[in-house]
Amino acid sequence: GQQLNQSPQSMFIQEGEDVSMNCTSSSIFNTWLWYKQDPGEGPVLLIALYKAGELTSNGRLTAQFGITRKDSFLNISASIPSDVGIYFCAGQGGSQGNLIFGKGTKLSVKP
Amino acid sequence: DGGITQSPKYLFRKEGQNVTLSCEQNLNHDAMYWYRQDPGQGLRLIYYSQIVNDFQKGDIAEGYSVSREKKESFPLTVTSAQKNPTAFYLCASSPPLWSGAEAFFGQGTRLTVV
Repeated sequence: GQQLNQSPQSMFIQEGEDVSMNCTSSSIFNTWLWYKQDPGEGPVLLIALYKAGELTSNGRLTAQFGITRKDSFLNISASIPSDVGIYFCAGQGGSQGNLIFGKGTKLSVKP
Repeated sequence: DGGITQSPKYLFRKEGQNVTLSCEQNLNHDAMYWYRQDPGQGLRLIYYSQIVNDFQKGDIAEGYSVSREKKESFPLTVTSAQKNPTAFYLCASSPPLWSGAEAFFGQGTRLTVV
């Protein structure tokens, strides 16, 4: 089946640093989504991308839909302690049409 | 408020018993999904449903069953055939899959089988 490769698997950064994570796929997607999950909670949607090349911001978060439609990245600027959590990418548009998730990037922020 | 509700948040069962996890949404979404999450494994799709009375197996459907008798509800039954049922289960809903719209998640149910 389709797979999403999300990297890095984990990150340990200092408060105030910028963060970048990405997802790549062997298949083309029509939609890319980025979620954040706090421990013991369900993922919360951060950014949705619908067009190749689209660059969208949500506060300190910026995400882009790759031109090839096979990749996406998420940047977090000036990280703060509450950014801690697991970030998931998700792509939609395969043969079955359902959402496919990456394995997540676990972010730790040192105050 | 519109949203997606999973209940209960924590569930304990004895090995060999079937257990049903509830998922209800009032977002008028057509599509609903069940995912299983294990530490370091990300989200794995169990079942999904695009319309009422129709559902499709995901990547790890063995040992699970679902029904979609109402648009608002998509309960998941973890059967005794599921060899390793202890996990965090997440339900999600979205507008029709073809629309490419985003999915929203419930708060999850942590199932522990002893």
